[in-house]
Amino acid sequence: DVKVTQSSRYLVKRTGEKVFLECVQDMDHENMFWYRQDPGLGLRLIYFSYDVKMKEKGDIPEGYSVSREKKERFSLILESASTNQTSMYLCASSLDGSYEQYFGPGTRLTVT
Amino acid sequence: QQPVQSPQAVILREGEDAVINCSSSKALYSVHWYRQKHGEAPVFLMILLKGGEQKGHEKISASFNEKKQQSSLYLTASQLSYSGTYFCGTFHTSGGSYIPTFGRGTSLIVHP
Repeated sequence: DVKVTQSSRYLVKRTGEKVFLECVQDMDHENMFWYRQDPGLGLRLIYFSYDVKMKEKGDIPEGYSVSREKKERFSLILESASTNQTSMYLCASSLDGSYEQYFGPGTRLTVT
Repeated sequence: QQPVQSPQAVILREGEDAVINCSSSKALYSVHWYRQKHGEAPVFLMILLKGGEQKGHEKISASFNEKKQQSSLYLTASQLSYSGTYFCGTFHTSGGSYIPTFGRGTSLIVHP
């Protein structure tokens, strides 16, 4: 079974802090994605990556950056956290760009 | 732009049927359907790749009309375990990449 793990289930940070969210998949998938999920808004794509050291912006990249130094790991970085970035963050991976996505358990981030 | 899902919410009794629709303004390569139970990660249900294709999974099936850029998810003889939020994920191509966009979700509640 594909396993996607995220570094924390719950995280509380202060405004202005630099925040790192880590995602690791164990199935040698090429593609990895970061979404944020807010009530009533569904899943919105922040960034995705189709290869190591490669990244592409999604629909809402502002205020975020990503890093993919190794195939299995995809990190989401909030350079200076703000309260409007309080949300559930979901990581996903897929074998190919349009194949089924496997989601991690999510990180609920609260910025105070 | 996110695909539009309808209805936003459905309440059923066990054994009843439901249809969830997903409509996109973009030309689609494929459509995915996922179910998310409260507090859990979204789980893949099925993928539709070709226009007019229908796929089934037990009592859950789906259709994809590529021309109309629409997909529908059919849940027949619903069970309590079907409760959750259903998301459609549409994929379009851009610059050689597959770009996923998810709808806002349809909440399905099945009562005994």
